Amino acid sequence: QLVLTQSPSASASLGASVKLTCTLSSGHSSYAIAWHQQQPEKGPRYLMKLNSDGSHSKGDGIPDRFSGSSSGAERYLTISSLQSEDEADYYCQTWGTGLQGVFGGGTKLTVL
Amino acid sequence: EVQLVQSGAEVKKPGESLKISCKGSGYSFTSYWIAWVRQMPGKGLEWMGIIYPGDSDTRYSPSFQGQVTISADKSNSTAYLQWSSLKASDTAMYFCARPRGVGANDAFDIWGQGIMVTVSS
Repeated sequence: QLVLTQSPSASASLGASVKLTCTLSSGHSSYAIAWHQQQPEKGPRYLMKLNSDGSHSKGDGIPDRFSGSSSGAERYLTISSLQSEDEADYYCQTWGTGLQGVFGGGTKLTVL
Repeated sequence: EVQLVQSGAEVKKPGESLKISCKGSGYSFTSYWIAWVRQMPGKGLEWMGIIYPGDSDTRYSPSFQGQVTISADKSNSTAYLQWSSLKASDTAMYFCARPRGVGANDAFDIWGQGIMVTVSS
């Protein structure tokens, strides 16, 4: 079964960097994912599509501070030079056979 | 500009029916799938189902199969999500979203603004 696992929370200081992780379930390590940001009281915003080889395609207007990388079944979102507006929930998304989509449980990022 | 514009917030009573909408513009509506995503209060995103407006091919998550109906009207570039008998547990924010490419299996790069549905007696 296709499942995405995310840590419920993360924190980092203003100006620092943070690396969020999304883990694909066994047998699905070649799958691409997408990262989305949801700021408080707002809808989701597409950040990037991240492939298994680490290549990624960012959405329009997404700052260079946001980058993605991959290792095995892990997909990472790194945010550098953290700003207060980066405090948000971050979701990973993927898609399986039979046109079924999946979201991870989300990571709540706190900027200290 | 490519965008998905959703209808306004709804307040309903248990047992009532409801149909909410998502209008696409700035692109060929019939060439891209549109998905519906639920977010219950304080919770994460849940993939509900997806429709191809070109031929109305529709797939549902097993969790939502039989609970909702997804449809689309090509003539006015609008996708719909409907309930025949609402429950209090349907209270949530509902988003529509469009994949980047013309296939269903892709990242959602366009999101609607969301519709808050409140079901309460």
